Amino acid sequence: GAGVSQSPRYKVAKRGQDVALRCDPISGHVSLFWYQQALGQGPEFLTYFQNEAQLDKSGLPSDRFFAERPEGSVSTLKIQRTQQEDSAVYLCASRGHGRLNTGELFFGEGSRLTVL
Amino acid sequence: GQNIDQPTEMTATEGAIVQINCTYQTSGFNGLFWYQQHAGEAPTFLSYNVLDGLEEKGRFSSFLSRSKGYSYLLLKELQMKDSASYLCAVRDRYGGSQGNLIFGKGTKLSVKP
Repeated sequence: GAGVSQSPRYKVAKRGQDVALRCDPISGHVSLFWYQQALGQGPEFLTYFQNEAQLDKSGLPSDRFFAERPEGSVSTLKIQRTQQEDSAVYLCASRGHGRLNTGELFFGEGSRLTVL
Repeated sequence: GQNIDQPTEMTATEGAIVQINCTYQTSGFNGLFWYQQHAGEAPTFLSYNVLDGLEEKGRFSSFLSRSKGYSYLLLKELQMKDSASYLCAVRDRYGGSQGNLIFGKGTKLSVKP
């Protein structure tokens, strides 16, 4: 696609519910990142994929958070048993490759999760 | 540890020049990025510095001093549409993500008429 697409844009969940957030990266981008952005803060790294391989999940805050990218394209971030502190915008970003590429990330508009 | 500092808020007047500073201490360094983020929107790439010096791109310029762990973003001829948050981010070469970006908290710039 032309840009990184995320859905849903807005999600309201009751505490304890499971949620799934989807990211469709730019076509051909090998690298995919998930970030969490709390209100008034900068994005904080959650996890990174290169193709279908999850190479770094050091930023996932707890074992309630799980991400996958089974075919190396679309990715899903799943949060189980949501808590109020999970309320944030979840940003997905993808990156191209190549010698002339500065390596900047292209971000989606994010999924805003509110846990009541 | 990793630490990136930038002012929380700044205010400037339309048509003026504003400089947003960023200092960083990271375990590795492989480039510094500036992103612009309007409220409720995706961060968008503005500039990239990996060597010391000034990079100019239209009304926006970015400077880097690696020895001082310091960068600034310079915005000239400010327009109302420049009101946004500006995010400083460092790519940590030694991170497990082969180039993950570590972000500061962002500087919220308000441009007044």
